[in-house]
Amino acid sequence: DAGVTQSPTHLIKTRGQQVTLRCSPKSGHDTVSWYQQALGQGPQFIFQYYEEEERQRGNFPDRFSGHQFPNYSSELNVNALLLGDSALYLCASSPGFPSGSNEQFFGPGTRLTVL
Amino acid sequence: SQQGEEDPQALSIQEGENATMNCSYKTSINNLQWYRQNSGRGLVHLILIRSNEREKHSGRLRVTLDTSKKSSSLLITASRAADTASYFCATDPFGGHAGNMLTFGGGTRLMVKP
Repeated sequence: DAGVTQSPTHLIKTRGQQVTLRCSPKSGHDTVSWYQQALGQGPQFIFQYYEEEERQRGNFPDRFSGHQFPNYSSELNVNALLLGDSALYLCASSPGFPSGSNEQFFGPGTRLTVL
Repeated sequence: SQQGEEDPQALSIQEGENATMNCSYKTSINNLQWYRQNSGRGLVHLILIRSNEREKHSGRLRVTLDTSKKSSSLLITASRAADTASYFCATDPFGGHAGNMLTFGGGTRLMVKP
């Protein structure tokens, strides 16, 4: 049973560019959350997807958008990249209704560097 | 912004000793969770404690929660070199199926020397 997978592992972009990060949730999970983790800090919640819709959103600008597909996989898109977007982007999945389990399973992350 | 604050920010101990990490938070919660992260990789869930629980155990881990003080502690007993990692507390305000919007603290970096 594969856990949460993310691609790519590493990515280097320049300011102003756009990036798409991908996540496949753990088998049986239908809820996907995205987090940004700057170096030396704890993760910060970006948004959460359930039933192909954004259900919750953290304090991130509209440059950050996402999508969830019918197979529950998800993408995170960031437009007009800034130097401050350099971080580890983590995807987490959790089982849906009726489990309601609050334990989240994290992927290994995508390390984004903006030059 | 981060709700939780971990204390200490860094901790260095000898193998076999106990490690205690503390977490404080600001708003009401449904549950609080502890995660472990090795060298900037993905986080691993360690333990979840609900707001109506005061203490929970899992193997060498013991977590306490004091909702009146808005604080939690994680105790790792008989530490091993393999426990070297960063440890984060995370709060979930809603729980259940509407939950999982976690707010993390800044983490405690634990080093266990052999």
